[in-house]
Amino acid sequence: DAKTTQPPSMDCAEGRAANLPCNHSTISGNEYVYWYRQIHSQGPQYIIHGLKNNETNEMASLIITEDRKSSTLILPHATLRDTAVYYCIVRPSNDYKLSFGAGTTVTVRA
Amino acid sequence: EAQVTQNPRYLITVTGKKLTVTCSQNMNHEYMSWYRQDPGLGLRQIYYSMNVEVTDKGDVPEGYKVSRKEKRNFPLILESPSPNQTSLYFCASRQPGTSQRETQYFGPGTRLLVL
Repeated sequence: DAKTTQPPSMDCAEGRAANLPCNHSTISGNEYVYWYRQIHSQGPQYIIHGLKNNETNEMASLIITEDRKSSTLILPHATLRDTAVYYCIVRPSNDYKLSFGAGTTVTVRA
Repeated sequence: EAQVTQNPRYLITVTGKKLTVTCSQNMNHEYMSWYRQDPGLGLRQIYYSMNVEVTDKGDVPEGYKVSRKEKRNFPLILESPSPNQTSLYFCASRQPGTSQRETQYFGPGTRLLVL
């Protein structure tokens, strides 16, 4: 699986958009970009995934660059409950194993 | 409500005393797996199961056993626990096959301390 690079931490003001970057310069053509988050030792929670088109769901938006070497997760209106560690993963869609690295610790401040 | 449950949530035990952590899902998922999460090492897969009676090793299977006698349950067995198995354990399930939505669900976690 391609490796990903994320900033270790970031702060965000409540009500503002949070933009979380992820670099995956060695991504292969059949690998998707997945985002999960984990709120303080709870079970990881799926957020969104995409292959090359931008995606949006009720939780977030995913912007993938045209060369697919990087992506950005956007939380449009961050709330205090969005404080969590966010993980960017790249893997084929038929590989169900998840491997989390350090992720980005996002702290939403009032 | 769709969910994955694990029991116990917290467990303190001693070296060598066999224990079982149960995992159950109510979504009729075929795929289930176990992970452990350790500081600095991230999330690592222990075992997984593609269906009833079909199990396979993940990245860190040593010291663990699993069984899949029925679709909804996937217990994790530590025959002779050791202190290096002190960790936070997660069970997960999903329905195989490509889909528009990644429907992998995680349990709440089991925090294990082996003395």
